[in-house]
Amino acid sequence: ETGVTQSPTHLIKTRGQQVTLRCSSQSGHNTVSWYQQALGQGPQFIFQYYREEENGRGNFPPRFSGLQFPNYSSELNVNALELDDSALYLCASSFKGFETQYFGPGTRLLVL
Amino acid sequence: RKEVEQDPGPFNVPEGATVAFNCTYSNSASQSFFWYRQDCRKEPKLLMSVYSSGNEDGRFTAQLNRASQYISLLIRDSKLSDSATYLCVVNAFIQGAQKLVFGQGTRLTINP
Repeated sequence: ETGVTQSPTHLIKTRGQQVTLRCSSQSGHNTVSWYQQALGQGPQFIFQYYREEENGRGNFPPRFSGLQFPNYSSELNVNALELDDSALYLCASSFKGFETQYFGPGTRLLVL
Repeated sequence: RKEVEQDPGPFNVPEGATVAFNCTYSNSASQSFFWYRQDCRKEPKLLMSVYSSGNEDGRFTAQLNRASQYISLLIRDSKLSDSATYLCVVNAFIQGAQKLVFGQGTRLTINP
């Protein structure tokens, strides 16, 4: 196992609600990246956090936001949920400057 | 044009067969390349990195052709346990962040 954990494992929300997903990175890793994986697609980069700051962002609207804490754990927040936000949300931890990223088991979000 | 393109399959092959996956990428400045494996309803896991000289890990061989921007994965003597989705992945930089760009994935089923 990678040592990266995510919670919750599954979540059901309704359109317009807000959601917070959590990720604990592997010990020794200081960087967390978040990805969205829609059914039948590869993961898409949302953003990355390093030293508690956003360090790069993909093509996702501002209602996707995040935080990183001093212990390098991270949160992904999504406001005003839309049906298309239904997906598997993956976090990946790494050490800044090293290319290998280790994925957590993901949170499966269903928006009704 | 997608940044990373691969045949989505599905590929259905008998146990013991050799199967090859191909992938192309659009960013000629890309420096790092990987194959990830994703089992059903699980997170992606690094299968192997891909080097210009080609590399082999047991039954798996990866090749990179920078001139053609083409990556391949060959699986020899396929096992039932090789059934999974194989994701072609390229490393890219965005605003200082190192992100992974995934292809759509190729689904492989090995039949007894």
